[in-house]
Amino acid sequence: QVHLVQSTTEVKKPGASVKVSCKASGYKFNTYGVSWVRQAPGQGPEWMAWISADNGDTKYAQKFQGRVILTTDTSTSTAYMELRSLRSDDTALYYCAREGRTAVAGHFDYWGQGTLVTVSS
Amino acid sequence: DIQMTQSPSSLSASVGDRVTITCQASQDISTYLNWYQQEPGKAPKLLIYDASNLEPGVPSRFSGRGSGTDFTLSINSLQPEDFATYYCQQYDDLPPTFGPGTTVDIK
Repeated sequence: QVHLVQSTTEVKKPGASVKVSCKASGYKFNTYGVSWVRQAPGQGPEWMAWISADNGDTKYAQKFQGRVILTTDTSTSTAYMELRSLRSDDTALYYCAREGRTAVAGHFDYWGQGTLVTVSS
Repeated sequence: DIQMTQSPSSLSASVGDRVTITCQASQDISTYLNWYQQEPGKAPKLLIYDASNLEPGVPSRFSGRGSGTDFTLSINSLQPEDFATYYCQQYDDLPPTFGPGTTVDIK
């Protein structure tokens, strides 16, 4: 069965960077993409970005352009999301979700368990 | 960005009730709409895609309807495990956007 397992909780200071990992299993990693979605406390989910695990193509929400970097390691079936210049309003649960291979399909059928990132001085 | 709204923001219901949640898009999205269920402390779970198609494994008491700008999610005969928050999400245009959620709790 499909599993996405994310790295654990992070606590960072404003201005720092965080890198969250998402290890996939149960399917052929490079036949899908991965989207990253975050959810602030008490809020609805917010899509951040997508990466193709096939060819590394990426798409970023305008809000995060220049501050988020997505990568994959196909040898370990792992996707990574790095968020730079952290602010207090970046405090949220960050999820990876399985997605379309060649484009953002918006069809998030499997999700990781979430990684809590807390930004505090 | 396409804005999604949901109503009500919360509702109270009893086991066995039928409930309906409404989602509205700020522009025509055809049927490019998904519904998710999120239990406390868990990731969202895809229930319905393309406005009305049940994801494999989702009980048939869930149903979705609508097209254009107006959509509904209905749950027939509410079960204890259905008390959760429900989100609609459009994928007609980038970025995919989610509604603010509707929380269904026990009356």
